[in-house]
Amino acid sequence: DQQVKQNSPSLSVQEGRISILNCDYTNSMFDYFLWYKKYPAEGPTFLISISSIKDKNEDGRFTVFLNKSAKHLSLHIVPSQPGDSAVYFCAATPPGGTSYGKLTFGQGTILTVHP
Amino acid sequence: DTEVTQTPKHLVMGMTNKKSLKCEQHMGHRAMYWYKQKAKKPPELMFVYSYEKLSINESVPSRFSPECPNSSLLNLHLHALQPEDSALYLCASSQWANSNQPQHFGDGTRLSIL
Repeated sequence: DQQVKQNSPSLSVQEGRISILNCDYTNSMFDYFLWYKKYPAEGPTFLISISSIKDKNEDGRFTVFLNKSAKHLSLHIVPSQPGDSAVYFCAATPPGGTSYGKLTFGQGTILTVHP
Repeated sequence: DTEVTQTPKHLVMGMTNKKSLKCEQHMGHRAMYWYKQKAKKPPELMFVYSYEKLSINESVPSRFSPECPNSSLLNLHLHALQPEDSALYLCASSQWANSNQPQHFGDGTRLSIL
């Protein structure tokens, strides 16, 4: 049962344009969502997160939007740069109790930004 | 540069060998994690340590044995592994093992079982 889904395996955009990566989840207990970027031969790097009490969080070129009713979140990268080319993972975690720290990842989306 | 350091970066071992993976962080984090990642798949949680105590074991086979000697160190002891255990093993840490705390990952140990 895949609780976090990234339905687009890949995305290709031109440098300077907006990249929009999407993520859907099925577990309504998730209350904290994160995006990670992963380059080959490196571990995932934390990018940005959002709590379920918010619908938007912004950090520089990165903005995450959360639509709780649709169980959907998205990551916007503006403007996109060639160095942003990587695999992007969406992840989610429930509020706590016995599941403290239990991070569930989506399958990942390969972003390619063309110069 | 990652603030979570994993050694070795690569490990090849036979099915009868005993080896250990090591992870270290000096960010003062009190929660540490082991994940397994197969090719073209997302990381999957194996273990969570909170304040040096094991808090989550995701039904991992006993041939994987975690150990947290202190708040900065996390080990994963390996014994009698199977070829399907070949994967990238990632360590992560966070301030505490609760929600609203991002986990920070090391670069992993690439493990190959012959």
